Amino acid sequence: NAGVTQTPKFQVLKTGQSMTLQCAQDMNHNSMYWYRQDPGMGLRLIYYSASEGTTDKGEVPNGYNVSRLNKREFSLRLESAAPSQTSVYFCASSENRQVITYEQYFGPGTRLTVT
Amino acid sequence: AQTVTQSQPEMSVQEAETVTLSCTYDTSESDYYLFWYKQPPSRQMILVIRQEAYKQQNATENRFSVNFQKAAKSFSLKISDSQLGDAAMYFCAYRTHQGGSEKLVFGKGTKLTVNP
Repeated sequence: NAGVTQTPKFQVLKTGQSMTLQCAQDMNHNSMYWYRQDPGMGLRLIYYSASEGTTDKGEVPNGYNVSRLNKREFSLRLESAAPSQTSVYFCASSENRQVITYEQYFGPGTRLTVT
Repeated sequence: AQTVTQSQPEMSVQEAETVTLSCTYDTSESDYYLFWYKQPPSRQMILVIRQEAYKQQNATENRFSVNFQKAAKSFSLKISDSQLGDAAMYFCAYRTHQGGSEKLVFGKGTKLTVNP
């Protein structure tokens, strides 16, 4: 099993450009998440998807859109990149059963720089 | 909203010694889960240990253990016999179950340096 995979690993954008970060998991998890990590800020939730076909905003959703394409894939789109979106982006997945908790499994991250 | 506070931005320890990383959290929930994640320079987030709030016994995983004080809302991580490979950022995280999905709220992290 590859676990959680993310593409690309690195990306440089100019202000105003758009791009999509791809995430896929092969663990048959229901829930998927997008976080951003900034120096001194820890990880902050951008969007999450509790199940296929549903998405919800997290703590810092402005400037982003997401698509839960199917159970495996959850993409994050920047329509018009801004320097404030320079960050490391992590995708994660987990089960979402109410009784038993499962850890979140993280991808390797994408380092995005917006100039 | 839940918040997680790690008051030590940086810590250092001598190899083979013991170090404790602090974490406090704020919540009105009675049932929840707490985690410590390790992030080495590779950036990969690795789960170190988890604690269920309903369990009084502190979780232990080999050289890693926690001191969970529910009334004080404190969740510290103790690393015994520190090794060079323990050098990393450590994040405390609180799991909240809202909106039908588990979401993690992270602290800002503690950078641990291990000196040979």
